[in-house]
Formats: sequence, C-alpha cells, structure tokens
Amino acid sequence: GAGVSQSPSNKVTEKGKDVELRCDPISGHTALYWYRQRLGQGLEFLIYFQGNSAPDKSGLPSDRFSAERTGESVSTLTIQRTQQEDSAVYLCASSFRGSSYNSPLHFGNGTRLTVT
Amino acid sequence: GNSVTQMEGPVTLSEEAFLTINCTYTATGYPSLFWYVQYPGEGLQLLLKATKADDKGSNKGFEATYRKETTSFHLEKGSVQVSDSAVYFCADSSYKLIFGSGTRLLVRP
Repeated sequence: GAGVSQSPSNKVTEKGKDVELRCDPISGHTALYWYRQRLGQGLEFLIYFQGNSAPDKSGLPSDRFSAERTGESVSTLTIQRTQQEDSAVYLCASSFRGSSYNSPLHFGNGTRLTVT
Repeated sequence: GNSVTQMEGPVTLSEEAFLTINCTYTATGYPSLFWYVQYPGEGLQLLLKATKADDKGSNKGFEATYRKETTSFHLEKGSVQVSDSAVYFCADSSYKLIFGSGTRLLVRP
C-alpha cells in the first residue's frame, strides 16, 4: 500500500529563491504534520493540520514559511526568500486522526533542501 | 508546553550487549509516549508506544515502560544486533508529537 509520499526528494536552491515542498499523505488520514530535521539534530515541529485547517502553526520559524492543505489530502510547504539556515530535511507525517487518539504517525522519506 | 529529553549519542556497543537509552518528559496532562527509529537511508518509523502509566511497549526485542512517577520512558534491549544500528527518537504527544533530539546507536560485530 502507498505510504506518505514527499516530493521532491532533493532540492538545491539559491539563497533568496522560493521553494515549494509537497506531501501526499496516506489516503483517509485526516491529520498531517510537517517537521524539520537539521543535520545531526532532532525533529522540530512546524505545523499541524486537522483536515484542511491548521490549529497549530506555532513551529513555523518565520513569516517566510507557510503551508496549506487542500481536499484533506495534499499539503504544500512554501519557503519564501530561502536562507542558508533553511537547509534541512523537511519531513511530512500523517495519521488517521491525531496522535492524541493514539494513531501512530506515518512519515515520508523527507525532502532534503540545500540552500546555496 | 511538552518537552522530551533523551541521552546524547552516539552510543557504541558490541553485539549482544545490553542497551539502555534514557528518555524523560515534561508534559501537562497525560501524554502518550513513543519511540521512533530511523534506520540509515530510511524514514522514521514507529518502534513502540505506551498510552498510560505503567504500560509497557515492546517490539523487535525492545521494551520501554511508561513511568509516571519518574516521568521516564527508557528504551531497553537485552541483546543488540548490528541491524539495530540506527537513530532512536523518544517522543510524547498530546495532539502533536514532540521529539527528543535523537540518540545514534552503533552496534559493532
């Protein structure tokens, strides 16, 4: 069966350019999460969607970061005017409802973003 | 808010050694607790979980017990294998997972 799919798997961009990262969650999963993992570090929460709304955006590092989700499926994370400190692996995860209901998160393989 | 603290790595062991990776949490309410594992070149996957105090999660020979009195969820395995080499993340959740910084385990033959 299909898991969480993220694209592109790798992205190299020049400083100052905008990038868009895509996540296709598992069909039927209403909860969707974005995390960031910098080299050698843990996972940093960015944003959580329940359906198409985002009740928790508290982890977005700056107003250059935004995310949306449509149709309770695909989500895109957009980073405007990228900076070198944005270089990281961006991970998407989905779950059936939300981890408060003990539904485990299923992670994609991530998008490795390198800002030169 | 919730937070998770886990022991720093890397942890290097010989095959068949006993493993403990410490994890403590701070949380309001009664979170569920998880261990996730990231094998080289692969995505994060759930290893085990516990949803209430005194629960023991177990999988693939790994175990962790939810200890409310010590706010801990230490990961243990009696005899590690080379194939257990990976990065292990402790996490707690209300509606979102809060991860520790990860502990890299290297098992040598």
